Amino acid sequence: KNQVEQSPQSLIILEGKNCTLQCNYTVSPFSNLRWYKQDTGRGPVSLTIMTFSENTKSNGRYTATLDADTKQSSLHITASQLSDSASYICVVSAGSGNTPLVFGKGTRLSVIA
Amino acid sequence: EAQVTQNPRYLITVTGKKLTVTCSQNMNHEYMSWYRQDPGLGLRQIYYSMNVEVTDKGDVPEGYKVSRKEKRNFPLILESPSPNQTSLYFCASSFSGLEWGYGYTFGSGTRLTVV
Repeated sequence: KNQVEQSPQSLIILEGKNCTLQCNYTVSPFSNLRWYKQDTGRGPVSLTIMTFSENTKSNGRYTATLDADTKQSSLHITASQLSDSASYICVVSAGSGNTPLVFGKGTRLSVIA
Repeated sequence: EAQVTQNPRYLITVTGKKLTVTCSQNMNHEYMSWYRQDPGLGLRQIYYSMNVEVTDKGDVPEGYKVSRKEKRNFPLILESPSPNQTSLYFCASSFSGLEWGYGYTFGSGTRLTVV
């Protein structure tokens, strides 16, 4: 069964610190993996998209990595800010056609002063 | 501004009273989809549409209906809402169901409470 598991479920860090969120997936065939940021009560917003051939991709203070062999991805946030407080959702696209995206349950990040 | 617009943002209704949540996108996207988000369960797909007049069930379609009569609109219909449909609903769209290289654009959400 196609699944996406994220860890930790929740995380609290001090402003200015770095953190890493994990995503493991068992989706096959693999098309791409995307990290979304979702502020409370708002719709998810795409941060990065990783294809099979990409290992690392950065978007400002966000850096995503992908290891297609071990089926793992991580999202590293550098020099965290209070505005980074949100849920971060890992989404894997299971190939072509009508196959819906497979969503992780998200990691709830709280950045405190 | 390119966006997905959902209405209403908040809705409280009673069991059994039919309701429609509207979704409209201005990006000429072919693919549109509805999700519900519940605590601890993440986003789950209700229905999706590959193009006009083409719709199909997602993971949790029971109790919902959709239609796609025109490209920009994809309304979600609850014929007889029940309390277990209390949830946060999101509409999303993209250029292609393949999602290759394109992003999903999500609406701002509709918080539905059925009492």
